[in-house]
Amino acid sequence: GIQVEQSPPDLILQEGANSTLRCNFSDSVNNLQWFHQNPWGQLINLFYIPSGTKQNGRLSATTVATERYSLLYISSSQTTDSGVYFCAVRTGANNLFFGTGTRLTVIP
Amino acid sequence: DAGVIQSPRHEVTEMGQEVTLRCKPISGHNSLFWYRQTMMRGLELLIYFNNNVPIDDSGMPEDRFSAKMPNASFSTLKIQPSEPRDSAVYFCASRPIGGYTFGSGTRLTVV
Repeated sequence: GIQVEQSPPDLILQEGANSTLRCNFSDSVNNLQWFHQNPWGQLINLFYIPSGTKQNGRLSATTVATERYSLLYISSSQTTDSGVYFCAVRTGANNLFFGTGTRLTVIP
Repeated sequence: DAGVIQSPRHEVTEMGQEVTLRCKPISGHNSLFWYRQTMMRGLELLIYFNNNVPIDDSGMPEDRFSAKMPNASFSTLKIQPSEPRDSAVYFCASRPIGGYTFGSGTRLTVV
């Protein structure tokens, strides 16, 4: 199956700092999503972004499908941004393959 | 839109008991997915349905697991008999064409 690699695995930020999370995938995809799993375990959809760039408040994402990677930018981080960020991709079938995640801790 | 609704949120059961997890997808979403999350294996697909029909159940660990979708607004995942290694968070997700929306999950503990 497709391989989805995320980096860094862990990230600690001071509140107010910016960060970039990366997702590399091993094959062509027709769906890519970024999720935030909060400390209560909920999986929150951040972006549906098979290609291009999107922005939502302090978050933005860019997917370069031809080069098989996606980036998630978090600006002016807040403690509520803490949690695990997952990249997930879908190829031709319906299965959404998840990366191993980036665990973000924002300290005040 | 209430999102994908799962119940119960938490379930603690004894080994050998039957467990039934429930999911109500978003109205109009024609695909439904059951995922399991563990520390060791991360998030993995168990089974998915298209238009209430099971399409791929290759992720179901063994015959103790079964899933049904009797109509477009309801699905169940049943484990019988349950074992301690089934302890995990079970997520249901649905999608139209496009992005997936996940429910809040059911945290299952088998003691």
